Amino acid sequence: NAGVMQNPRHLVRRRGQEARLRCSPMKGHSHVYWYRQLPEEGLKFMVYLQKENIIDESGMPKERFSAEFPKEGPSILRIQQVVRGDSAAYFCASSPSGGITGELFFGEGSRLTVL
Amino acid sequence: AQSVSQHNHHVILSEAASLELGCNYSYGGTVNLFWYVQYPGQHLQLLLKYFSGDPLVKGIKGFEAEFIKSKFSFNLRKPSVQWSDTAEYFCAGESGGSYIPTFGRGTSLIVHP
Repeated sequence: NAGVMQNPRHLVRRRGQEARLRCSPMKGHSHVYWYRQLPEEGLKFMVYLQKENIIDESGMPKERFSAEFPKEGPSILRIQQVVRGDSAAYFCASSPSGGITGELFFGEGSRLTVL
Repeated sequence: AQSVSQHNHHVILSEAASLELGCNYSYGGTVNLFWYVQYPGQHLQLLLKYFSGDPLVKGIKGFEAEFIKSKFSFNLRKPSVQWSDTAEYFCAGESGGSYIPTFGRGTSLIVHP
């Protein structure tokens, strides 16, 4: 009964490099959310996706950040040309029905450190 | 803008003490409210949720929360905490139909044995 799987758990990048974070939702879940947690801050919504569709990306920075959830394979959060301010924990959550039941199922997070 | 506020960022208690963590929201209209918990080294998991009906909601591990519409609050309570309740607690809310929960900053609870 695998939960939401995120990898890598820890990622170190130098400024200017690209970071790719992957999220495999729970089996049967077709809705994925990405949140970012900065030090001393709460979870900030970034993007909400269904298979092959971005439903809401209002929390995503306009530049350098992109997300996808292809028909096959995990959801990917991509950060291009990383800067120190991108250092954070990135959490993925999934749900079976777009939140109708309310509960999101979270992964353990991917911690990005930008040197 | 819709928001969720948690005013207690760090709480330290001794075992058997009573717990109340504050949560206020700023939504108008229909609102769904949640408390999530993150134990050390683990993922966030749902403690309890309120959609409608009885404003007193009971969750897992003896936790409960009360929805008070007039105060825009959804405080989490437990009458007697245990060392194993040491964790980060997040309040979240979403306006009915948005399906995108907004989280509070979180409250770090440390329970001394």
